[in-house]
Amino acid sequence: EIVLTQSPATLSLSPGERATLSCRASQSVSSYLAWYQQKPGQAPRLLIYDASNRATGIPARFSGSGSGTDFTLTISSLEPEDFAVYYCQQRTNWPWTFGQGTKVEIK
Amino acid sequence: EVQLVESGGGLVQPGGSLRLSCAASGLTFSSYWMTWVRQAPGKGLEWVANINQDESLKYYVDSVKGRFTLARDNARNSLYLQMNSLRAEDTAVYYCATVNGGFWGQGTLVTVSS
Repeated sequence: EIVLTQSPATLSLSPGERATLSCRASQSVSSYLAWYQQKPGQAPRLLIYDASNRATGIPARFSGSGSGTDFTLTISSLEPEDFAVYYCQQRTNWPWTFGQGTKVEIK
Repeated sequence: EVQLVESGGGLVQPGGSLRLSCAASGLTFSSYWMTWVRQAPGKGLEWVANINQDESLKYYVDSVKGRFTLARDNARNSLYLQMNSLRAEDTAVYYCATVNGGFWGQGTLVTVSS
């Protein structure tokens, strides 16, 4: 099973600041990595697929990069609605797995 | 507008069974791989099972293999998860979603407790 490790566990930032979230895989997932945003009481929302492609309707302030084992989700300038938990997820090998999440909280 | 609506969750005793349903609308259901993802209270996400368009391919995470069964009815635009021999650790919100992650339901809570 591929283990995804996200860092940091919590990111405390102010609106307008840049957020950089990391996801490291225990073995190569090529570019088959997605990022999701989840707010309390809501289903996850797909942000990025195949490492760097924004999903439909996702603002340009969200960007993804990386391949192999190291990936980054960047939010260029945090909006109030961006404070949430973010998960990475691989779909290279079954079982597909998620990272443990990074909480982006208001400083 | 795409909608995925789960139902069938509830409280069940350990060893019991539940059948979850997911009703899809606003998309060509028969064209999509579908999945169930679960989230234990206060915890992260776990991908549970995938099913392809004609039910010829099904994948299960090891922890549910032999206990959970995926099925779908394309004529009814519906996805099902039969859950048997339920354990306390199966307690979670269960989401149905398209495998590409683009569409999700609101989730249904399954609580396994005596």
